[in-house]
Amino acid sequence: AQSVTQLGSHVSVSEGALVLLRCNYSSSVPPYLFWYVQYPNQGLQLLLKYTSAATLVKGINGFEAEFKKSETSFHLTKPSAHMSDAAEYFCAVSDSPTSYGKLTFGQGTILTVHP
Amino acid sequence: EPEVTQTPSHQVTQMGQEVILRCVPISNHLYFYWYRQILGQKVEFLVSFYNNEISEKSEIFDDQFSVERPDGSNFTLKIRSTKLEDSAMYFCASSDIRQDTEAFFGQGTRLTVV
Repeated sequence: AQSVTQLGSHVSVSEGALVLLRCNYSSSVPPYLFWYVQYPNQGLQLLLKYTSAATLVKGINGFEAEFKKSETSFHLTKPSAHMSDAAEYFCAVSDSPTSYGKLTFGQGTILTVHP
Repeated sequence: EPEVTQTPSHQVTQMGQEVILRCVPISNHLYFYWYRQILGQKVEFLVSFYNNEISEKSEIFDDQFSVERPDGSNFTLKIRSTKLEDSAMYFCASSDIRQDTEAFFGQGTRLTVV
């Protein structure tokens, strides 16, 4: 069975600083990996996804993530944080051959951005 | 842009009552899902639905839960006899049949069982 671990339930950065949110996964088959963002009182919005093409994936709002098979990681980065990036971020993995939207989520990381 | 729509946004129900959560998936999607997020916990998969039948379900999805696509647009989650521990945010999602597609999530229904 697959699993996802997000290191750090809370990350705090200053506006303009690098954002790094860590995600490690385990999967018995080549996975599809996703990062979703949840703003307060809203649903889950896809930031980016890895589906076995390029290992460096670019998403919306300036975020990107790199798939590293040797490290079983899919860390999310953004060079310069903006106040509007404050939200909860979820890493998720899918390896179901029949339901590609069947996801296993990490526990989430709350990103706080200070002025 | 197409989106998944869930109603109601918030529902309060008494313990033991039946509740139906409604979702309108994106129109050309063929896979449908329900997830839940208990306050402060992970988002958890409940069930996936394809071709008018359940394709996968988690151990959470016991006999108290059922799903239905009653017409060509709605997808519902029914909880027959709600318990306090069913209080959570319930998310509906849908996806295309293509292998590299992602799930699109609705805004969620916050269910409070009192």
